[in-house]
Parts: sequence; structure tokens; C-alpha cells
Amino acid sequence: QSVLTQPPSLSGALGQRVTVSCTGTNSDIGAGYAVHWYQQLPGTAPKLLIYDNNNRPSGVPDRFSGSKSGPSATLAITGLQAEDEAYYYCQSYDSSLRGVFGGGTKVTVL
Amino acid sequence: EVHLVQSGAEVRQPGESLNISCKGSGYFFSTYWIAWVRQIPGKGLEWLGHIYPGDGDTKYNPTFQGHLMFSVDKSINTVYLQWNSLHLSETAIYYCARPGRPTDRFYGLDVWGQGTSVTVS
Repeated sequence: QSVLTQPPSLSGALGQRVTVSCTGTNSDIGAGYAVHWYQQLPGTAPKLLIYDNNNRPSGVPDRFSGSKSGPSATLAITGLQAEDEAYYYCQSYDSSLRGVFGGGTKVTVL
Repeated sequence: EVHLVQSGAEVRQPGESLNISCKGSGYFFSTYWIAWVRQIPGKGLEWLGHIYPGDGDTKYNPTFQGHLMFSVDKSINTVYLQWNSLHLSETAIYYCARPGRPTDRFYGLDVWGQGTSVTVS
């Protein structure tokens, strides 16, 4: 069982806005540790999508955004595209400075 | 260009030892932590720990500590993940990954190896 809780799956139509939630506790996200988000396409390594809660690496489209509030974080995808169909993982740290991941969310584009 | 290149797929029997590698290029290898992450087939990502190539400092996920080991050979810009005795449950893809800022192991992992498939059967 993953430390951070994500919905297993969600779907949205092309062009729609979808949000992926990531819920932790006061011992991890709520303790102030940064949240990072990764996108994983089938058969490939994860790719960094958002770092330090709300920052996009160079090359990541601006339709991806991140936010954090208390022990939770959210990844938003606005203007959903077919190529966004993938698994999305949140990641942070806990009070023992161990890295922790969410269980992953499969986003399906209808 | 920055790359992490991992060693090829491995098949072992339970109880056997194994050593897989991750070679960095295109950056100052000694100043960036390397994380190890595993993914059991059909499952999510799990954090195994970190190693700092500059001095060999290691941080293990307590869940895995004592069963696997990280090491480094700075002379060839390579880190290793080693097992003395593999379990069936360790069949997975193992990734190495580098944070995007030197000396900061908490930064987002912006460079990933291609993964090494380990099958224990």
C-alpha cells in the first residue's frame, strides 16, 4: 500500500480539464516537503512533469500545472490531449526523509 | 547531453546474487545524488534509496535496508545496485534516476535510466 493516496483511474474528453489528487499526512506532504509529479507512458521510464509543487521543467507543456495545500497536492491537466493518456505519480518525502510515492493514477482520454 | 544508461536484463534463480549498474554521462557525476526506484510488473513506483557518488554516502528505504546495497565507482561514473540473495518477490524493473540539482537529493528526478528488468524465477 502506497504512502500517498491517488485515485487509481480517471478519464476526460479531449480538451477537458482533469485533476489528479495526491493525499498524504502531516508526516509527509503536510510537514512541508515538496511534491513532484511524474508521467509514465507504457513501457517507458517515468518523466518529471512538475517539481517543487508547481514548477514545470523545460519542455513540459503549460497545460500541466501543480498545486499543494496542507497534506495534499493536485496535478491539473487543462486542454487534455490524446498523448496525455498515461500513468501519473506524485512523490514526496516523509519525516524520516524516505522518498514516498503515490500509487499512481491512470488517465484515459475519451 | 545528460544520460543515465543501465545494464541489460537479468534472469536469476532465488538465492542467487546480482549486481546491476547505472552509468552517468554528460554532467559532473560526483555532485549529483542517484536514486534507485523499482516497479513490480503492473504496479506502482517504490523508493529504494539514494547514493551520493562524491563520497559514497547512502540513504536506504528502511523497508529494503539490509537486503540490497548501493555502491559506486567514481572512476567510471557508475553506481551499482547489489543483492546477495534474491527473492522471487524482487522480480521488477529497477530504475536509476538523478535529481535536477547538484547535492540536493530531495529535488525532482529529471533524468532517468532506461530501466533494468530483473526476473527471479
